[in-house]
Formats: sequence, C-alpha cells, structure tokens
Amino acid sequence: DSGVTQTPKHLITATGQRVTLRCSPRSGDLSVYWYQQSLDQGLQFLIQYYNGEERAKGNILERFSAQQFPDLHSELNLSSLELGDSALYFCASSVVGQGHEQFFGPGTRLTVL
Amino acid sequence: DQQVKQNSPSLSVQEGRISILNCDYTNSMFDYFLWYKKYPAEGPTFLISISSIKDKNEDGRFTVFLNKSAKHLSLHIVPSQPGDSAVYFCAARSFAGTDKLIFGTGTRLQVFP
Repeated sequence: DSGVTQTPKHLITATGQRVTLRCSPRSGDLSVYWYQQSLDQGLQFLIQYYNGEERAKGNILERFSAQQFPDLHSELNLSSLELGDSALYFCASSVVGQGHEQFFGPGTRLTVL
Repeated sequence: DQQVKQNSPSLSVQEGRISILNCDYTNSMFDYFLWYKKYPAEGPTFLISISSIKDKNEDGRFTVFLNKSAKHLSLHIVPSQPGDSAVYFCAARSFAGTDKLIFGTGTRLQVFP
C-alpha cells in the first residue's frame, strides 16, 4: 500500500459527459501528479500541483483540468469525453525536494462508451 | 518524441536465472532514473533508482546500471523469482522546475519455474 488513494476505482460513462477523479496523497506529501496510461502505452504526465499551486503541465488536453485543495487532495476533471479518453488515470505524490520517488495510487480505470 | 525507450515489450526468464531489462534515453539533462514494477490492477510500485552521477546502485536482488555515454540503463534481477513477473517501467526525471517523470512503454517480465 503506497498510502495514495484514488476514487473511484472504475468509471464507465458516455461520450460527451464529464467526470471527476479524486486523489488523496500520502500524509505529508505536498506534491501531486496526474498520469494517463492508454492501452499498451507508458504513463504520460498530465499535470503537477504543489501545495495548491499548479507547478507543471504536460500533454494535458484543454478539456481536462485539475486542482489541489487546501487539505492537499486533488481532483482531475475530464469533460466532453471522447472514446479516446478511455484509459487508466494514476495519481502520484511525493515530497518535492527531499527525494525523487513518486508513490502511485491504484488508479482509476475510465471507460468511455 | 519518445525520450525514454524500452525496446523489448516482453522477456521470459527461468526462475533462479538473471533477468536483464533495458532502457535507452535521449535527453542528457535527466538527473535521476527510476524503475517501477506494475502488477495488473495496481499502480506502479517504486523499485530502485540511480542518480546520473553514479553508474551503479544495488538493493538486494536488484541492481541498476547506468551508462551515460551510451544513454543506456539496465535493471538486473538476480535470482529471478516467479513473484517478479510484472511489467517493469523505466522512468527519468529532468529537474528543470518540475520533477515530473517521463516513462518508457514498459517490459513485461515473465519468470517461469
């Protein structure tokens, strides 16, 4: 158990809909990262938040957005969903500046029908 | 532009023998390299890492070697055990204002009795 929790574990929805994925980092970790893993692909970095502030953006679509709340949990919002958005979405957390390891949650499997 | 490459999608090794997983990268600014192991339906689990200023790091049965001139790293598992069967991801960090990780596409290791 990495200490990072993600909900829900599975999500099935239709094209055009909007969903919210939630992540709680490990206790004490200020940094949260979101990654997307499509079929047979590596993990693609989407976005990073540090202590409530956006720190870095990767290949995140404009239809996607994220935020980190004062209690440090984070949410990834995906809107106007398309079939190609079906993927595993992982959240990771770390203590920035004190190590480089990121600890991953179990992921949310999103299926867009 | 695939900055981190794992050219072998799969590897099959007999129990007790050595498993060698390879990874190539293109960006000379990477300062840390990490290996993650992933079981189905779970998030990636951190395994071992190496700083770009070192050429070897060992942790129990796992050793990572870094050849900076060749931009190549490898993970050695000795002896291999059936429980090592998983997908292994190589990742790299370029600390330029963010510590996001760039992942390879993974190598599926199967250890058979």
